Amino acid sequence: GAVVSQHPSRVICKSGTSVKIECRSLDFQATTMFWYRQFPKQSLMLMATSNEGSKATYEQGVEKDKFLINHASLTLSTLTVTSAHPEDSSFYICSARILAQETQYFGPGTRLLVL
Amino acid sequence: QKEVEQNSGPLSVPEGAIASLNCTYSDRGSQSFFWYRQYSGKSPELIMSIYSNGDKEDGRFTAQLNKASQYVSLLIRDSQPSDSATYLCAVPDFSGGYNKLIFGAGTRLAVHP
Repeated sequence: GAVVSQHPSRVICKSGTSVKIECRSLDFQATTMFWYRQFPKQSLMLMATSNEGSKATYEQGVEKDKFLINHASLTLSTLTVTSAHPEDSSFYICSARILAQETQYFGPGTRLLVL
Repeated sequence: QKEVEQNSGPLSVPEGAIASLNCTYSDRGSQSFFWYRQYSGKSPELIMSIYSNGDKEDGRFTAQLNKASQYVSLLIRDSQPSDSATYLCAVPDFSGGYNKLIFGAGTRLAVHP
């Protein structure tokens, strides 16, 4: 149980385009989903916390207008990287938490390369 | 801001040995603790959670918690090369009105044949 999927697993795009990444909880309802970013050989960095039906809470230094998060249902959250630039190239990972639990279950991640 | 500290390593152990990974945390009120494993190029996967002082065993893994000293450790018995990965310690943070996990920077474990 507690399976989280992400799509796409890998994406290459041109600078200036927008990229949407989907995160789904497959066998449970996730009231809260999290979006992380990880650069090579660096730590996980929390970008934002996404609660179903409400606005996301962004961590300090993360531009909410650049990284749009939508959590429209209990099983789906999306992250849109708007006007992507090469410095946005990274490994984006979502996680989901079951209601009333603290454990987070991670998706497989999406590797973004902006040319 | 709560902090979770881990030695970055690498921790190098021979195959078959016990690997000991340590984590300290700043918030004395923390009640639950998580260990995740992250292989290179992959996302983290949950190994164990622990909530009470003492030891919790799951197969070759044992988590140890000492709330008085504010540390949690992970022991891997009979280490295998396939255990080579980065191990992340995480503690919940309820500040700011919502629940998130604070991760340590991770300890890289290398098990050599």
